[in-house]
Formats: sequence, structure tokens, C-alpha cells
Amino acid sequence: GENVEQHPSTLSVQEGDSAVIKCTYSDSASNYFPWYKQELGKRPQLIIDIRSNVGEKKDQRIAVTLNKTAKHFSLHITETQPEDSAVYFCAVLPPGRRALTFGSGTRLQVQP
Amino acid sequence: DAGVTQSPTHLIKTRGQQVTLRCSPKSGHDTVSWYQQALGQGPQFIFQYYEEEERQRGNFPDRFSGHQFPNYSSELNVNALLLGDSALYLCASSLAEGQPQHFGDGTRLSIL
Repeated sequence: GENVEQHPSTLSVQEGDSAVIKCTYSDSASNYFPWYKQELGKRPQLIIDIRSNVGEKKDQRIAVTLNKTAKHFSLHITETQPEDSAVYFCAVLPPGRRALTFGSGTRLQVQP
Repeated sequence: DAGVTQSPTHLIKTRGQQVTLRCSPKSGHDTVSWYQQALGQGPQFIFQYYEEEERQRGNFPDRFSGHQFPNYSSELNVNALLLGDSALYLCASSLAEGQPQHFGDGTRLSIL
């Protein structure tokens, strides 16, 4: 089955800096790549997603890039703020599957 | 527009007991997926329901079963509870297969 690896497991940045989280996947036919933000005790919240026919997508301070050849995709957060502190999960929808395969998560801490 | 709602929010059971968790999908969504999230890990897919049928299943034993009703709401049943079943159980709904999945707040299940 699909294998998703996420790095780093923890990330600490100063307020205003950028943060980058990277995920790699194993099935080259996977075609949908969402990112979720989960604050402590709350639901995973979809923050951005990208499909395999697009290389980059941006939404204000958040962007996702996809490299299909290398089978990796990354989340970029610019001008980080303390409220960006949370656990971020990448996910992949493998071909022929109905369920997301999640990465292990990255705990982002933005220091004021 | 109500999002995904789950009940109860918290539940404490003892080993060997049975539990039923409930989920109402986001308005307009007809597909419901259940995930188990252990502490510090990403969500793991249990199964997905569409048109009142289980369409796909993850690597979970038969002790985990479910149901979808004509109004698209869903139940997750777990029999013969084990200590290892302690986790956050998340329900996600989507408009259709391959569409973005939106999560509920989850049910925190503790097994004593």
C-alpha cells in the first residue's frame, strides 16, 4: 500500500519566519494531496490541497508544491504567527482507494 | 451550514464492553469515512460508507463494524473492547469519492 513519510517531526521557528514541511509518497499514481492542521484537542482542519495536474497552489500565507517525479510535496507557511502553532499532517489519496493515508505529523511551534 | 458532528465527545468503557459512536456528515455530503487516531499519530483509516454500504476497509479487525443510514449519518460499533482501542475516533465526510474530506471533532474513547 501507499507509504507516506513526513519530516520533520518537530519544527520551531521565530514569529515572522517561514516554515517548510515535506512529505514523500511511494505510489506514483496518487493524485490528491491535502494538508491538515490539528490544534490540541480539535479536529483536523483542511487548510490546502493540491491535485496531481498542478505543480503549486497558494492561499494567502500558505502554499503547497508538488514534485511528481520525485514523489514529494511540501507545505510552505510564510510570515508565521503564534496561531500557526499546531500539528500539521500531510495525506495522500492513492489510486483506486477511497481513504486518505496520513503522514505521522509535524508539530510546529512558532515562538513569539 | 452545519459541519460534521459526532457524538458523544468523550466515552469511558471497560475491557470487553461494546461501544457505538455516531456521526452526521456535513450538509450535502453523502460519503462518510471513519478514522482512528492514537495519541501522537496520524489518523488511520477504518472504513468508508457510501449508499449505505461499506465501500472500503482498512486493516482493522471484524470487531469494528459500521452502518450508514438513508440520511447519510453513520455509526461505528466496536465489540469486545481492548485497552489498545483507546483513541480519538474521527468521522470525515465528503461530497463524493476523491473529494476533500472534512472532519468532525471526534469521540475520545478511553478503555479502562
